[in-house]
Amino acid sequence: GIQVEQSPPDLILQEGANSTLRCNFSDSVNNLQWFHQNPWGQLINLFYIPSGTKQNGRLSATTVATERYSLLYISSSQTTDSGVYFCAVERAGANSKLTFGKGITLSVRP
Amino acid sequence: ETGVTQTPRHLVMGMTNKKSLKCEQHLGHNAMYWYKQSAKKPLELMFVYSLEERVENNSVPSRFSPECPNSSHLFLHLHTLQPEDSALYLCASSQEGYPGAYEQYFGPGTRLTVT
Repeated sequence: GIQVEQSPPDLILQEGANSTLRCNFSDSVNNLQWFHQNPWGQLINLFYIPSGTKQNGRLSATTVATERYSLLYISSSQTTDSGVYFCAVERAGANSKLTFGKGITLSVRP
Repeated sequence: ETGVTQTPRHLVMGMTNKKSLKCEQHLGHNAMYWYKQSAKKPLELMFVYSLEERVENNSVPSRFSPECPNSSHLFLHLHTLQPEDSALYLCASSQEGYPGAYEQYFGPGTRLTVT
């Protein structure tokens, strides 16, 4: 199956700092999503981004499908950004099956 | 609030009990999913239903039995579980299309503890 690798596995930031989270995948994809999992387990959709660039407030994401990676940018981080960030991909032809990476644990300190 | 609800939010059950998890989506989607999230592991897809028919079963033990009576509701029936089945169980929904499913939305999860 498709491999999804996220880096770094853990990240500690001071409030106000910027960061880049990376997701590499091993095959062509139809679907790529970034999620934020809060401490209570809820997965919150950040971006649906199989290709291109999107921005939503302090967050933005870029997927370069031909090079099989995606980046999530967090600017001016806040303590509420803490949690686990997951990248999930659907391999082209594997309808309805999202494969998740192991996640990046982000801690933002005041 | 993602439009996907799950009940109960927490469940403790013995190995001989039978219980059910419920998921409901209010998004008008036609596909629903069960995922398992164990500590320190990536989310694992368990079941996929598209248009109320099961299309994916990732070699899940028979002690987990899904049911999808209509496109808005999904159940996971549990019986004779093992302690290693303790995990967060997440439900999701999406709109099926071509070339594949679109954005998936997740419920808040049921945290299951098997004693």
